[in-house]
Amino acid sequence: DTEVTQTPKHLVMGMTNKKSLKCEQHMGHRAMYWYKQKAKKPPELMFVYSYEKLSINESVPSRFSPECPNSSLLNLHLHALQPEDSALYLCASSPPNMGWKETQYFGPGTRLLVL
Amino acid sequence: TQLLEQSPQFLSIQEGENLTVYCNSSSVFSSLQWYRQEPGEGPVLLVTVVTGGEVKKLKRLTFQFGDARKDSSLHITAAQPGDTGLYLCAGARRAGGTSYGKLTFGQGTILTVHP
Repeated sequence: DTEVTQTPKHLVMGMTNKKSLKCEQHMGHRAMYWYKQKAKKPPELMFVYSYEKLSINESVPSRFSPECPNSSLLNLHLHALQPEDSALYLCASSPPNMGWKETQYFGPGTRLLVL
Repeated sequence: TQLLEQSPQFLSIQEGENLTVYCNSSSVFSSLQWYRQEPGEGPVLLVTVVTGGEVKKLKRLTFQFGDARKDSSLHITAAQPGDTGLYLCAGARRAGGTSYGKLTFGQGTILTVHP
């Protein structure tokens, strides 16, 4: 089973709202990732968690706040977003100790629209 | 900065034709993944290639990893309308001393197969 789940599937929010995106995997993966993807473009890395600790923040604005409560769950808290933040937000995970593979498995994404 | 040049960017063909997508880099990757993505969905892993010179087949899809692990190709035989989508190559390198890898994505190939 190589399933990463994400909720919600779609989200519409105003610029003053606070919302959260949720990602879950039960594959025993210890690295989890958040990506942002604009239409017809490749995903852009936002954050990496390794063993529940934030390892990479790719200079993401503070209106995006990640959280990793446990090894299976990854959240992305959103506050005071801008319309240009509208995008598909993807979660991914990868297993530890894969040697040279470093394969990442992606969830279905959350389509976010900021009005 | 590692770059992964993917070509062509757009491909529009008739059902039954063959096609090849290329990914080239001046950097060595420890592995390379190919993904297929449909609009509004997350990337789905097609294959991971690890060894220089490796060839993998997945039904009508053939994947090659260059001998020097800097380039890769995806060949589709007798394309079908169901092959339509965004194809992404992604080179992986493990971040030093860590248990996770960072992916460098190509710009993607938008494939349309007409019936």
